[in-house]
Amino acid sequence: ETGVTQTPRHLVMGMTNKKSLKCEQHLGHNAMYWYKQSAKKPLELMFVYNFKEQTENNSVPSRFSPECPNSSHLFLHLHTLQPEDSALYLCASSRPLEVQEQFFGPGTRLTVL
Amino acid sequence: GQQLNQSPQSMFIQEGEDVSMNCTSSSIFNTWLWYKQDPGEGPVLLIALYKAGELTSNGRLTAQFGITRKDSFLNISASIPSDVGIYFCAGQLNYGGSQGNLIFGKGTKLSVKP
Repeated sequence: ETGVTQTPRHLVMGMTNKKSLKCEQHLGHNAMYWYKQSAKKPLELMFVYNFKEQTENNSVPSRFSPECPNSSHLFLHLHTLQPEDSALYLCASSRPLEVQEQFFGPGTRLTVL
Repeated sequence: GQQLNQSPQSMFIQEGEDVSMNCTSSSIFNTWLWYKQDPGEGPVLLIALYKAGELTSNGRLTAQFGITRKDSFLNISASIPSDVGIYFCAGQLNYGGSQGNLIFGKGTKLSVKP
């Protein structure tokens, strides 16, 4: 498998559920990103990891908890979300010094009921 | 924070038409990027611009990095049905030896004329 993959592609969860989003990249990159994409809004950067270390947390609420066990995998753990958290969550990766050339996964469409 | 104004918000195309969209910012960027997102997919990088005044083509796509470093445009010539999708501009500012994060516009949605 090549590129950036994300699972699941669709997720519906209640506000009291705990779920996790998974991202995997097969590009040999060492930087990984989580973005939130809502309708009619620009992509919002959430977290950045470089060489498994979190280097950016863009004031994201603690109900979103990222995890990067190695350079190829990135998780986003979700708990007690709100309906306004419903969005497309995109993962991306890049070489650490090539932030401008990010490769995106297909996203997970999250609906919070 | 920095914001990008992307226009138009949406447009309809007829096959064969040329299409133009642009992005402006109140502050300067070192890099301008154009992405396309198809339904159900993530954005795909189309063109990257690294120098003020730079004009770069990728097939029927041409993009320019504005001289003021505060704007960029994307042209699509002789559009075809598969050009439909959402086009995003993004800017990046590097500072103090560090690479800045990408700032995205809201997108221009291209649809086919009914």
